[in-house]
Amino acid sequence: AQTVTQSQPEMSVQEAETVTLSCTYDTSESNYYLFWYKQPPSRQMILVIRQEAYKQQNATENRFSVNFQKAAKSFSLKISDSQLGDTAMYFCAFMKHGRGGADGLTFGKGTHLIIQP
Amino acid sequence: DAGVIQSPRHEVTEMGQEVTLRCKLISGHNSLFWYRQTMMRGLELLIYFNNNVPIDDSGMPEDRFSAKMPNASFSTLKIQPSEPRDSAVYFCASSLGTGIHTQYFGPGTRLTVL
Repeated sequence: AQTVTQSQPEMSVQEAETVTLSCTYDTSESNYYLFWYKQPPSRQMILVIRQEAYKQQNATENRFSVNFQKAAKSFSLKISDSQLGDTAMYFCAFMKHGRGGADGLTFGKGTHLIIQP
Repeated sequence: DAGVIQSPRHEVTEMGQEVTLRCKLISGHNSLFWYRQTMMRGLELLIYFNNNVPIDDSGMPEDRFSAKMPNASFSTLKIQPSEPRDSAVYFCASSLGTGIHTQYFGPGTRLTVL
């Protein structure tokens, strides 16, 4: 079974600062995917960024980037130039590559990120 | 394009009643997932389907829970009889069964069992 650990229950930074959310995972799988989802107060789960484990290049999406360290089983999320709208719960998630296609997500407990004006 | 649609958005019921949650997949998607979110346990996978076939239901709490896909675009999650500990937000998500398998979530159903 896979486990995902987010060690920071809450973080608070000033607007425009850069913030890094940490995530570690444990698995014996060699082929898998990693995701960061954002959940604002509306409770909608929104995909932020995704990474295929077989890719060495770190994924980036505008102000969001990841630091994927496969050997260390670490998958941190960096948010640059943080904005008030980034305030939300952030969940790290793991998905193994299923035999028949898609597989379920295993989530961490989440990090509550607060962007202060 | 419409995203994943869930109904109802909120449900309040009394212990012992039957509850049915509904989910419509994104057009063209063939994988469907049901998750539950609580403060104590976080986000948990309950069950998922690929091409209408249940693949893994090991997360379903007990026999009171059942899920079906009567057709390729629609799913139901039924709780009978409901109990107060079933109170949670229930999400469904859908994905293409190939490629990177990104899951897109519905808005969730907040269930309260009194």
